[in-house]
Amino acid sequence: GQNIDQPTEMTATEGAIVQINCTYQTSGFNGLFWYQQHAGEAPTFLSYNVLDGLEEKGRFSSFLSRSKGYSYLLLKELQMKDSASYLCAVMDSNYQLIWGAGTKLIIKP
Amino acid sequence: GAVVSQHPSRVICKSGTSVKIECRSLDFQATTMFWYRQFPKQSLMLMATSNEGSKATYEQGVEKDKFLINHASLTLSTLTVTSAHPEDSSFYICSARQAASGDSETQYFGPGTRLLVL
Repeated sequence: GQNIDQPTEMTATEGAIVQINCTYQTSGFNGLFWYQQHAGEAPTFLSYNVLDGLEEKGRFSSFLSRSKGYSYLLLKELQMKDSASYLCAVMDSNYQLIWGAGTKLIIKP
Repeated sequence: GAVVSQHPSRVICKSGTSVKIECRSLDFQATTMFWYRQFPKQSLMLMATSNEGSKATYEQGVEKDKFLINHASLTLSTLTVTSAHPEDSSFYICSARQAASGDSETQYFGPGTRLLVL
C-alpha cells in the first residue's frame, strides 16, 4: 500500500530551527509537496520537490532524497505565526496526491 | 498569482436541504479541480476529482448522487451536498491545478467552507 509518515507533533522555540521529516512509500513518484495549514483554515502551498536536493525559499527549505523515500522541511528563525500543521504529500504515478496526516508544530516563546 | 476562492465560507442548514459550494480560480485556468473534506484534527480526504467539461471521478466510498460536482468552466467548479444530514457537517476544501503551466502539478487551495447541518 501507499504510506506517508511524519511525526504527529513537534515543539520548538521561537527563533530556533526545526526540521520536520517525511518518509514515503508510494506507487510511483511525481513530486513531493509541503503545505502549511493553520487551525481552521485551508492548506497553503509551501514547496514542491521533484529532483533530489535542497530547495530554499526564504526561511523555509525543503529537501528530497528519492532513493531513500525521504524529505524534510526546514524552518529557520521560527516565529510564533509558524505554529501550524505541516502536511507532506506525494504525487504518485497516477498523479494523485497521497497525504500524510500532518505534523502539528508548536512554537514556544 | 494562483488564487482560489470558495463561497460561502460557512453555512448552516437544516437536515434534508441541499447546499451548493462554489470554487473559483481567480487568476488562472484550472483544467482540474479537487474536492476534499476534513474532519477536525484529521487529514484531508479527497472526495472527487473534476476535469472541465467531463464527469467527476469519485473516490471509493463517496456517493456521487449525494455529492454532485459540476466543473462547467476552466475557472469554476461547484459541489452540491444534496439532502444534507448532520454527519455531512465538515470542512469542505477545493483545490485547483493550473493548466499549461511549468508548475502544473501544484494544487492551490481555496479557503474552505465550513458546513454545519442541524
